[in-house]
Amino acid sequence: KNEVEQSPQNLTAQEGEFITINCSYSVGISALHWLQQHPGGGIVSLFMLSSGKKKHGRLIATINIQEKHSSLHITASHPRDSAVYICAVLMDSNYQLIWGAGTKLIIKP
Amino acid sequence: GAVVSQHPSRVICKSGTSVKIECRSLDFQATTMFWYRQFPKQSLMLMATSNEGSKATYEQGVEKDKFLINHASLTLSTLTVTSAHPEDSSFYICSALGPLSSYEQYFGPGTRLTVT
Repeated sequence: KNEVEQSPQNLTAQEGEFITINCSYSVGISALHWLQQHPGGGIVSLFMLSSGKKKHGRLIATINIQEKHSSLHITASHPRDSAVYICAVLMDSNYQLIWGAGTKLIIKP
Repeated sequence: GAVVSQHPSRVICKSGTSVKIECRSLDFQATTMFWYRQFPKQSLMLMATSNEGSKATYEQGVEKDKFLINHASLTLSTLTVTSAHPEDSSFYICSALGPLSSYEQYFGPGTRLTVT
């Protein structure tokens, strides 16, 4: 079993839909990152969370430390949101990141 | 916020040549930087941890003589792929520990290496 599990692996939705991507982990962490990877490969850091909830524009990220679970939400999704979204956790024993496999999101117009 | 840049963003080289990739923290000092590699359709894999002024710590299975890492200053780490082969073609990403806390890690945009 992977230490970081993301679901779904692939997600296709229509423009305007509310999107949720989930991340569960089994290790003790200091923080959790959500990143976006564009088709060309470039990575953009979206959020870093250690507790609670963060919002940036149409993106919302939440984390429940007790349940070892985080979600990334996209409201009013748009085709330009199409990308791979990656969850990565920072282990509390060192600075290393453990990466999820990513969720490929396609938003159709 | 803190910004990390990588150069070049894309590079094509011939087999047998060496390629250097730079990772810079633009507005903060980074004593620790990380180098990751991503194979197509796979997750990122940590290659090594780079600490300013000391030798890099390589992950198991990563050839230190092939992937030379130098962290000579607090704002620059370099990864040199020596005697490149087509199987080295990959996406390489660096990140830097941020200036405020040990939890913050800032990612470079990545470098696409193609070896022909």
